[in-house]
Amino acid sequence: SAVISQKPSRDICQRGTSLTIQCQVDSQVTMMFWYRQQPGQSLTLIATANQGSEATYESGFVIDKFPISRPNLTFSTLTVSNMSPEDSSIYLCSVESATSTDTQYFGPGTRLTVL
Amino acid sequence: GENVEQHPSTLSVQEGDSAVIKCTYSDSASNYFPWYKQELGKRPQLIIDIRSNVGEKKDQRIAVTLNKTAKHFSLHITETQPEDSAVYFCAAKWGTGFQKLVFGTGTRLLVSP
Repeated sequence: SAVISQKPSRDICQRGTSLTIQCQVDSQVTMMFWYRQQPGQSLTLIATANQGSEATYESGFVIDKFPISRPNLTFSTLTVSNMSPEDSSIYLCSVESATSTDTQYFGPGTRLTVL
Repeated sequence: GENVEQHPSTLSVQEGDSAVIKCTYSDSASNYFPWYKQELGKRPQLIIDIRSNVGEKKDQRIAVTLNKTAKHFSLHITETQPEDSAVYFCAAKWGTGFQKLVFGTGTRLLVSP
């Protein structure tokens, strides 16, 4: 499986500020996904990032709030903009396996607390 | 769109017992069903998966069964151990165009020694 890293692993931020989360993969992957996991909850897909094209956002998530970059096949960023306490959550990136596009693996997550 | 329901939300068993977690999905076009285990503070880890052309798959103490007609699939863990304690998520892969995973709500499994 791919080795996925995320930065930062955790952060505490002030209301109204923005945070950019980085996701790095050790191999080239076509599809990268960004999820949110609120405390004690399941995983909710924010958007899908395909290299070379605009990210595709799920219902309830908009580009102005969660801009995504995908500059190459091993890297993506998710920005949480104009944060409020409701954005406190774990943000996870995920990638499809190079050998089986059905299979998805997750990064370690970024734990965000907004005060 | 796809909707995945998962039951039970919590499950407590004694070490050595079996545990079964059930999921149902709504869209018959879904064709891939993974199970993830998430320990506290850790990332979700894929433990087993099944595709729609297969009815059952087994890997040591864990197995997954799929009933396409009824649109449900189940995770079976035999001879449970305390280290099996975690939250388990089922998911279904669905979508028109590119496909994505839709997750169930999770089952917190507690295995008592």
